Parts: sequence; structure tokens; C-alpha cells
Amino acid sequence: GAVVSQHPSRVICKSGTSVKIECRSLDFQATTMFWYRQFPKQSLMLMATSNEGSKATYEQGVEKDKFLINHASLTLSTLTVTSAHPEDSSFYICSAPRTGDVTQPQHFGDGTRLSIL
Amino acid sequence: AQSVTQLDSHVSVSEGTPVLLRCNYSSSYSPSLFWYVQHPNKGLQLLLKYTSAATLVKGINGFEAEFKKSETSFHLTKPSAHMSDAAEYFCVVRDNYGQNFVFGPGTRLSVLP
Repeated sequence: GAVVSQHPSRVICKSGTSVKIECRSLDFQATTMFWYRQFPKQSLMLMATSNEGSKATYEQGVEKDKFLINHASLTLSTLTVTSAHPEDSSFYICSAPRTGDVTQPQHFGDGTRLSIL
Repeated sequence: AQSVTQLDSHVSVSEGTPVLLRCNYSSSYSPSLFWYVQHPNKGLQLLLKYTSAATLVKGINGFEAEFKKSETSFHLTKPSAHMSDAAEYFCVVRDNYGQNFVFGPGTRLSVLP
């Protein structure tokens, strides 16, 4: 069964709306989670690394004020797309290593399809 | 720095025939390599991983991959394709001195009846 749960699976909203996406580890504690973005027919691009109890680490070119990440507990990380615009429409996926070792394979959520009108 | 090349953006095979999805990588250090599968509008599922143990790695659903350092390759194979194998496949590399996973561009596998 799923070990990482992502919610919601799909969001359609108006331009200017802020959207929060949740990523939960279901039966393990995840001190680190990863957020990816996937454009249609393209690969996953790492956006940021979410660290429990500390600031997220963003990849080059990712606006930290646009994509707010909060990792307030050992089982939950949230990604908030602030004032979303049509160009933010994408498929967002989170992942976490089941063990505390980030070098081990990631378990991925089912993704969130974000559509901004 | 690591990088991953998947030579074929789309592979089409008939059901029951072999599957070969190619992956080449570059890494400054000894890498770990993974293959993930993604079904439409779904997250990624780990098929198999190579982490410096046996070079021939067996995964789920009958897939396997062979790590060839001399060729910097990690091609994914399956002897007999099934309709349910139709999906997007990603080759992923991570060097053992870093934490970052680098994804290849993906190969879409179509299985024809």
C-alpha cells in the first residue's frame, strides 16, 4: 500500500489563488521530503528539499516566496503555491525516503494536478 | 555532477515480446541507479535499484537491469511485455556523495495487443 499520501490529487482554481498541497508519510517519520514538478511529457525536476524543523532548501531558479514549504512535523510537509498563475499549472509530486537515509530510494506520492484558469 | 540520458523518448512493442529501455548516465563518483515507473496521473513506483552490489539487478513485475560501468549504462529489460507495462519509465542517478536524485527525461512504453 501507499506509504506517502499526497492531497489533493487535483486542483482547479482561478488565477491569484493560493493553493496548499500536503504530503504525508503514512507509517514512518520523514525528516526530509522532496518536492518535484513535472511538466507534460517531461521529466521530474526537483524544486526543493523540505527539512523538518528548519528551512527548506530550494533548487536554483525556484522562487522560495512563490513556493512556500513548511515541514512542521515528522510526517507532514506542505507546499503552498502563492498567488498561482496559469504558468504554475503542472503536476507536483512529493517523495520521502522510508528510512532516515536520504540516499535510499524515494517513495512517491500520487501527485497533485494543479490547473490554474 | 550527474546526468542521465534516456535515448528513446518512446518505445513501442507488441505484447509478449521483449522490452529494452536504454539509460546512460554520467557521474563524478560511484553512483546509485534506479528505475521508476509512472502510470498516468500517478506518482512513481520503484522498479529496481543498483547500489554497488550485484551488477544484474532484478526488480518487480519481471523487470531487470544490468549495470555496466565500462559503458556507463543501466538498461532496463523484460523478457515478455504485458499490456499493464504501458507507462512512463524514468532512469534516475544519485551519486553516493550527494543526496540529489537526477531524473532522466523518461521513456514512454506502449504495448500493442
